[in-house]
Amino acid sequence: LAKTTQPISMDSYEGQEVNITCSHNNIATNDYITWYQQFPSQGPRFIIQGYKTKVTNEVASLFIPADRKSSTLSLPRVSLSDTAVYYCLVGDWKSGGYNKLIFGAGTRLAVHP
Amino acid sequence: DGGITQSPKYLFRKEGQNVTLSCEQNLNHDAMYWYRQDPGQGLRLIYYSQIVNDFQKGDIAEGYSVSREKKESFPLTVTSAQKNPTAFYLCASSIDPLKNEAFFGQGTRLTVV
Repeated sequence: LAKTTQPISMDSYEGQEVNITCSHNNIATNDYITWYQQFPSQGPRFIIQGYKTKVTNEVASLFIPADRKSSTLSLPRVSLSDTAVYYCLVGDWKSGGYNKLIFGAGTRLAVHP
Repeated sequence: DGGITQSPKYLFRKEGQNVTLSCEQNLNHDAMYWYRQDPGQGLRLIYYSQIVNDFQKGDIAEGYSVSREKKESFPLTVTSAQKNPTAFYLCASSIDPLKNEAFFGQGTRLTVV
């Protein structure tokens, strides 16, 4: 099983860049790396996904080194509205191809004025 | 609009009663999931289903039951055997189990009174 490890919490200030790193030492060849954002009393929302190198969209960037044992979610110039919990997921395969979508505890990001 | 709908948003149950939480999606997704979230905690997987008439236990299935008679629907029953059912319940569906992307409903907050 590809377990993930993230910092429990992080603090930042408006306008700064925030980097959240996730460790996944046992990532399998077919696994993708996906990040979700969750606000209180809401369901998680997909942010970005990647397999290797770098992926960028309008919300964030995802950096994945060559060994794929970790990944870094980068949020440019955060605002107060980026205060949320961020989850890193790696594909969790059962024999037969089932994907259990296991969420860890996530990283609680607090953005301050 | 396409999406995933959970109902009701708030639910109160007396101890000893079974209660069923609804989850419907019109995204034509094959995979569906149920999670439980306690205050300040991450998401824990209860049950998941990859196809109609098939479902698998997640990490905390005891005291819960599900059915998947239709592709669009994945109801969760919280039985009286669940000793601590008060929690926030989230349903999700996935378009592609290979890539982990999932869409979540807005959740049902269950309170035992």
